[in-house]
Amino acid sequence: EDKVVQSPLSLVVHEGDTVTLNCSYEVTNFRSLLWYKQEKKAPTFLFMLTSSGIEKKSGRLSSILDKKELFSILNITATQTGDSAIYLCAVSINAGNMLTFGGGTRLMVKP
Amino acid sequence: NAGVTQTPKFQVLKTGQSMTLQCAQDMNHEYMSWYRQDPGMGLRLIHYSVGAGITDQGEVPNGYNVSRSTTEDFPLRLLSAAPSQTSVYFCASSYSFAGGGEQFFGPGTRLTVL
Repeated sequence: EDKVVQSPLSLVVHEGDTVTLNCSYEVTNFRSLLWYKQEKKAPTFLFMLTSSGIEKKSGRLSSILDKKELFSILNITATQTGDSAIYLCAVSINAGNMLTFGGGTRLMVKP
Repeated sequence: NAGVTQTPKFQVLKTGQSMTLQCAQDMNHEYMSWYRQDPGMGLRLIHYSVGAGITDQGEVPNGYNVSRSTTEDFPLRLLSAAPSQTSVYFCASSYSFAGGGEQFFGPGTRLTVL
């Protein structure tokens, strides 16, 4: 059974802190790993990772994939209250681009 | 472009009623899918389609039907609503990249079954 596990389940930090969110996976036909941010509505796309060891970066957010150890991390530096959200990790597993999601990490950034 | 649109935004049903959640996209995406999200959980795949006329089951298909008669539309039908189907439903679409690809999500439909 395909499985994606995220940790921690929730996290409370103060503005300016750096956080690391984890995502591990066990799937039969890995194609890519995606990170989404979900505030009150639909998930919004952050990164897609397909190759090991290549960091994707966007502003204060960055992510890297390790296909040997089957995990990915999402780093957020200098956190802001606007970073408060649920962060979802998903793995694309077949030609139909089916996504298997982890349970998400709820991040709260306090002023 | 409107992207992915869903209607209705909210719906309350009684147990046993049927209804159709509408989903449309104007990006000419081949792939479309339906997910449900329950409190404290990630999204779970209900059904997906790789093109007009082709659909398949996801992780939690029971109680739902889909069809894909056009590239743009992918409606989700609840045959006989049950309280366990109370959830937020998201429709998504994407290009058919060989390596997977970003899925674009609609705004969601919040469904309550009494």
